[in-house]
Amino acid sequence: QKEVEQNSGPLSVPEGAIASLNCTYSDRGSQSFFWYRQYSGKSPELIMSIYSNGDKEDGRFTAQLNKASQYVSLLIRDSQPSDSATYLCAVKRNDYKLSFGAGTTVTVRA
Amino acid sequence: DVKVTQSSRYLVKRTGEKVFLECVQDMDHENMFWYRQDPGLGLRLIYFSYDVKMKEKGDIPEGYSVSREKKERFSLILESASTNQTSMYLCASSLSPGETEAFFGQGTRLTVV
Repeated sequence: QKEVEQNSGPLSVPEGAIASLNCTYSDRGSQSFFWYRQYSGKSPELIMSIYSNGDKEDGRFTAQLNKASQYVSLLIRDSQPSDSATYLCAVKRNDYKLSFGAGTTVTVRA
Repeated sequence: DVKVTQSSRYLVKRTGEKVFLECVQDMDHENMFWYRQDPGLGLRLIYFSYDVKMKEKGDIPEGYSVSREKKERFSLILESASTNQTSMYLCASSLSPGETEAFFGQGTRLTVV
């Protein structure tokens, strides 16, 4: 089993819709969770971090964490063409190393 | 702004060559990381360092070594490059072990022929 798994995608949504990205992780002791955005040909950049169960909102982005289910998600509301990118889920392990999922590519259709 | 700079954007090397990938950060970060990114596999950790001259193996260290002689510089070394090491290599840094946001360099696309 991979440490971090994401829904495979690609995900295509119309402009203005909600894009929903899912991630599960295997290490029950993980405490910190992140979403990175990576545009084609660019390096990843952090867009959200979440540490406690529940929802965390930042602008059009909402991260949701459920540690009991070992599940973290990212919702992008009012999707814009500029949101078209690959989204990487990352989980901080107890040894401080960051493990990444394979990424979900999102395309927002104008 | 944090800046993580990798020495080369594109590199082509021959099988068997020794390859050095350099990474420099300008924010006095304790932690530095080397990842490789391959389609369908995401980012996989090769090595990381939490202090000068300190290093720990990541998930896929075979065929690689690292050097951290100065706090701002972290080098990845391919002792004898092979075609299966063709990949995108990403360097990252973060402030401290408890600081979780990692800042990435622009990446080095290495092709081994």
